[in-house]
Amino acid sequence: GQNIDQPTEMTATEGAIVQINCTYQTSGFNGLFWYQQHAGEAPTFLSYNVLDGLEEKGRFSSFLSRSKGYSYLLLKELQMKDSASYLCAVRDSNYQLIWGAGTKLIIKP
Amino acid sequence: ETGVTQTPRHLVMGMTNKKSLKCEQHLGHNAMYWYKQSAKKPLELMFVYNFKEQTENNSVPSRFSPECPNSSHLFLHLHTLQPEDSALYLCASSQEQGGVETQYFGPGTRLLVL
Repeated sequence: GQNIDQPTEMTATEGAIVQINCTYQTSGFNGLFWYQQHAGEAPTFLSYNVLDGLEEKGRFSSFLSRSKGYSYLLLKELQMKDSASYLCAVRDSNYQLIWGAGTKLIIKP
Repeated sequence: ETGVTQTPRHLVMGMTNKKSLKCEQHLGHNAMYWYKQSAKKPLELMFVYNFKEQTENNSVPSRFSPECPNSSHLFLHLHTLQPEDSALYLCASSQEQGGVETQYFGPGTRLLVL
């Protein structure tokens, strides 16, 4: 079966750095997405990786290793507003999106 | 503002009621989706429409009935629901371009079935 694993919850301190990991086992691979979802709001697109390596976008970076079935989202200079759930999703060989359950990130002052 | 709106934002209904959820996208996209999001579970894809044609129905019970009258509007008709159907129902849209499209989500309808 297809599976996306990410930690259920993480806690970090304002101003620090946090890395949220995502591992996947899917039938084929056609890209990996990270979304941010604040409580009671819509998931919003953060990043897309289809080739190995690091994609940087401001305070957020996303890394992909296709051979390891692994990605991480790196958040730097954490702010209180970064408290949210972070969803990892992989597009499989049928171009279907397979979703992880999300990681709830709690930022403390 | 993501360009995808959903109404109502909250809905409480009994198991014998009939209600409809509405989604509208203002992004000019040609694909629309219904997802179910339950606490601590992955998003579950329910239905997909491409150019108003239903292309995906992931074994969803018949008590959920989608309707896509045009590429900007999507409905989810609900009847004789069960308490386990209580969840956040998310609508999304995308521009199909050979599989590299990004999905944009609405804020969801929080549904409680009593």
